[in-house]
Amino acid sequence: DGGITQSPKYLFRKEGQNVTLSCEQNLNHDAMYWYRQDPGQGLRLIYYSQIVNDFQKGDIAEGYSVSREKKESFPLTVTSAQKNPTAFYLCASDSSGANVLTFGAGSRLTVL
Amino acid sequence: GQQVMQIPQYQHVQEGEDFTTYCNSSTTLSNIQWYKQRPGGHPVFLIQLVKSGEVKKQKRLTFQFGEAKKNSSLHITATQTTDVGTYFCAGYSGGGADGLTFGKGTHLIIQP
Repeated sequence: DGGITQSPKYLFRKEGQNVTLSCEQNLNHDAMYWYRQDPGQGLRLIYYSQIVNDFQKGDIAEGYSVSREKKESFPLTVTSAQKNPTAFYLCASDSSGANVLTFGAGSRLTVL
Repeated sequence: GQQVMQIPQYQHVQEGEDFTTYCNSSTTLSNIQWYKQRPGGHPVFLIQLVKSGEVKKQKRLTFQFGEAKKNSSLHITATQTTDVGTYFCAGYSGGGADGLTFGKGTHLIIQP
């Protein structure tokens, strides 16, 4: 079945550590996105990529980094510069122009 | 920037009662989308509305897009326990992949 796979599902991190969240899709979608979800805050866009080797900052990119070396993969690194990293992170993709998102199951990051 | 307001934040209903959530945008939209997120899950696309005044139905769910393309509603008739979750609207204003703005969602809680 086609879809988006995120890993790990749960992740614990100590303050000061960088962590990388994986996102892989086999939908052949061009565009991929990372969203952050906090209770009562809805979904906020961190980064997005419309094509391989290109990506753009979203509304809350500070403290995060991404890469898009392959069409199928869009990993997100949460750096130590992110002040409040504890959140639920969602990866999504869409076929260009449709702007209808397919989401992965999410990764829940907790900073201890 | 574009803002999408969604009300109410929480809605408690008895099973069998109707439910409505409302979405209002600060700008005219190209389209509006609705997503459902079950507890512990990820958002799943429900529907997209594009035309002014459009009404679409999915079984017990009725979606409306306002004449001015700035507001939308989702109405569920005779709620069932399977309807539990958070319903998000997302307004697309055009201009590219970052033109989608999510509302904060309405949490539907159903008491049997």
